[in-house]
Amino acid sequence: EDQVTQSPEALRLQEGESSSLNCSYTVSGLRGLFWYRQDPGKGPEFLFTLYSAGEEKEKERLKATLTKKESFLHITAPKPEDSATYLCAVQAVGSNTGKLIFGQGTTLQVKP
Amino acid sequence: DVKVTQSSRYLVKRTGEKVFLECVQDMDHENMFWYRQDPGLGLRLIYFSYDVKMKEKGDIPEGYSVSREKKERFSLILESASTNQTSMYLCASSSSGTDTQYFGPGTRLTVL
Repeated sequence: EDQVTQSPEALRLQEGESSSLNCSYTVSGLRGLFWYRQDPGKGPEFLFTLYSAGEEKEKERLKATLTKKESFLHITAPKPEDSATYLCAVQAVGSNTGKLIFGQGTTLQVKP
Repeated sequence: DVKVTQSSRYLVKRTGEKVFLECVQDMDHENMFWYRQDPGLGLRLIYFSYDVKMKEKGDIPEGYSVSREKKERFSLILESASTNQTSMYLCASSSSGTDTQYFGPGTRLTVL
């Protein structure tokens, strides 16, 4: 069964303290891996798509990486405004309807 | 920029009422999705549509139906609202070419 597991569930950091969020996945074949940011009471906001192992994408203080079994979202020198829930999702090969499988998310709190 | 809009941000209904949630996207996307999001349960797919008048059940379709008469509009219908349908409802759309889902702002539905 296709599955996505994110860890940790919650993470508290001090401002400037770099860390990583993990997304482990089990799919028959990976068509794409997606990262989203979600603020409380709002819809998820798209961050990155990764397609193949070794690929990396960056945006401001965020960097996403991909291996054959997992993806990491690295947060460098975070600021309080980076506080949010980060969601990971995968699309399996053979899915021609755009259906994604989401993880439970990691809730990040950055304290000033 | 992709824009997905939902008809209401907040909605309060009575048990047994018929409820319509509307979603409109402006990017000519083929695929549209309805999710509900509950604390501890993550995003769960209710229904999705990959073309006008086409629909497929997601993971939790019971108690819901959908309608897609035009490409840009996807409606979620609660035939007879129940208290366990109190939740945040999120609509998303994606192009068959990129599969990145773009989300609306969400509708927080409370059924009393």
